[in-house]
Amino acid sequence: SQTIHQWPATLVQPVGSPLSLECTVEGTSNPNLYWYRQAAGRGLQLLFYSVGIGQISSEVPQNLSASRPQDRQFILSSKKLLLSDSGFYLCASRGDTGTDTQYFGPGTRLTVL
Amino acid sequence: GESVGLHLPTLSVQEGDNSIINCAYSNSASDYFIWYKQESGKGPQFIIDIRSNMDKRQGQRVTVLLNKTVKHLSLQIAATQPGDSAVYFCAAPGGSQGNLIFGKGTKLSVKP
Repeated sequence: SQTIHQWPATLVQPVGSPLSLECTVEGTSNPNLYWYRQAAGRGLQLLFYSVGIGQISSEVPQNLSASRPQDRQFILSSKKLLLSDSGFYLCASRGDTGTDTQYFGPGTRLTVL
Repeated sequence: GESVGLHLPTLSVQEGDNSIINCAYSNSASDYFIWYKQESGKGPQFIIDIRSNMDKRQGQRVTVLLNKTVKHLSLQIAATQPGDSAVYFCAAPGGSQGNLIFGKGTKLSVKP
């Protein structure tokens, strides 16, 4: 079964600072990878997805970017954080299960002050 | 495209009672549905899934029912326990590349 790792678990950053969140996946190869953001008490908003190394699709225009330097590594970045970037960031993987089921990491709680 | 939505944002049940969480979807061509459980401060956890060629699927203390006629699915939790307290999401493929569309979630609270 797949295991998704995310770090850091929590992060407090000042407005205007850069951001790098990392996600790595074990137990599968060539997965589809996803970044979601979840505001407090809200649903999941898909930010980016990737079907392979170097392939990134953005779902919503925003202050963030994503990269996939390796098959099982997915990075979420920003050059200058905004207050509105605060939230709970989740990485998910859809691997070779033959279904569309996505498995989620533990999440990163980002607070921008 | 697909959209999914839960009928109630919150549900409160007594410990030991059965819980039923409902979800509606819009795309009659949807062929796969998933239920997730998200505890506070954690990532969503896969609970159970069902394909459209089935009406019912059972897991450990959980049952998912699918009614394709009215485009409705439900998650039933038997003998609800305090550890079942969480937000429950339904999801279905609806975007490109098999991306999932998630409902907004129902928060289940279990009273001792």
